[in-house]
Amino acid sequence: SAVISQKPSRDICQRGTSLTIQCQVDSQVTMMFWYRQQPGQSLTLIATANQGSEATYESGFVIDKFPISRPNLTFSTLTVSNMSPEDSSIYLCSVEGLFDEQFFGPGTRLTVL
Amino acid sequence: GNSVTQMEGPVTLSEEAFLTINCTYTATGYPSLFWYVQYPGEGLQLLLKATKADDKGSNKGFEATYRKETTSFHLEKGSVQVSDSAVYFCALSNQAGTALIFGKGTTLSVSS
Repeated sequence: SAVISQKPSRDICQRGTSLTIQCQVDSQVTMMFWYRQQPGQSLTLIATANQGSEATYESGFVIDKFPISRPNLTFSTLTVSNMSPEDSSIYLCSVEGLFDEQFFGPGTRLTVL
Repeated sequence: GNSVTQMEGPVTLSEEAFLTINCTYTATGYPSLFWYVQYPGEGLQLLLKATKADDKGSNKGFEATYRKETTSFHLEKGSVQVSDSAVYFCALSNQAGTALIFGKGTTLSVSS
């Protein structure tokens, strides 16, 4: 299984600001996924990030709000832009294993005031 | 489309009780099925998986059997512990390289 780290682990931000979340994997992977988990809810996919191409966003998520970078096969960033209290969530990155399972990072707990 | 339905929570049990959390799915083809666990304040951990019909996934005393005829993947444990208190998510993958589809999660609370 892959070992995934995320930074920061948590943050409290003011509305209107932006936060960049980093995701680091201990092995090279083709695809990385970014999910959002709103308080008390299940996970919702934000986008899929392939190295060397533009991220693919799910319905309801746009690049201007959630720009993603994927500069190499072990690293990705997700930026939450122009934040509002509704963006308060846990943001998780994941990578795929050998049998379609996914391994998740510990998450970034974001509170927007 | 693909979807996962889990029993509503919260589920409250006494230590050593038997646990069942129901999960049913809708999918085309032959999905892989998973149970994830999220302990308080932590990320998601893969608990167990099954990749084809009649497979039984097991880990840490938890079991789930992939039942294609009933499109189910119910999670069971014979004797729960306080440390099992967490949120449990059932999920499926219908194609490699695509995102998992999650159920809404079931909160389990075990008291001593």
